[in-house]
Amino acid sequence: DAKTTQPPSMDCAEGRAANLPCNHSTISGNEYVYWYRQIHSQGPQYIIHGLKNNETNEMASLIITEDRKSSTLILPHATLRDTAVYYCIVTRNAGNMLTFGGGTRLMVKP
Amino acid sequence: DAMVIQNPRYQVTQFGKPVTLSCSQTLNHNVMYWYQQKSSQAPKLLFHYYDKDFNNEADTPDNFQSRRPNTSFCFLDIRSPGLGDAAMYLCATSRDSASYEQYFGPGTRLTVT
Repeated sequence: DAKTTQPPSMDCAEGRAANLPCNHSTISGNEYVYWYRQIHSQGPQYIIHGLKNNETNEMASLIITEDRKSSTLILPHATLRDTAVYYCIVTRNAGNMLTFGGGTRLMVKP
Repeated sequence: DAMVIQNPRYQVTQFGKPVTLSCSQTLNHNVMYWYQQKSSQAPKLLFHYYDKDFNNEADTPDNFQSRRPNTSFCFLDIRSPGLGDAAMYLCATSRDSASYEQYFGPGTRLTVT
């Protein structure tokens, strides 16, 4: 699985969009980009995934660059409950295995 | 609600005393996983089951074993816990190996005294 690089921490004002970047320059053609988050003292939670097209669901949007070497997770209107560690994972499928990297600790502030 | 349940949420054991952590799921998923998460670190996969087929990660210590007696239950056995085994242990499931999502339980925090 390709390795990912994320900033260790970010702050975001409540109500504003949170844009979390991830670099995955060694991604292979059959690997997906997954995002999970882990709220304090809870298990990780799936957010979204994509192959090459941009994706949107009720939680977030995922923007993948055309060369697929980086992506951005967008939380359109961050709330205090979005404070968590966000993990970007690149793998062929999550049902196989997930290798978690360092993640980004997002702090949403009032 | 269908879910992944871990009991107990907090477990204290003594150095060297065997301990078993439990996980159950009502999702009827084929795959179950155990992860270890040490303080301020990311979760690390220990092993997983595809149905009854056990898959051990190469760097998982021999001190850790697992049992899956049926689809719903999976156990993590630590034969001789050391202080370095203190961690959060997370159980997860996925429908099958082609699934895009893993469902995690709340975890069991293990303390070794």
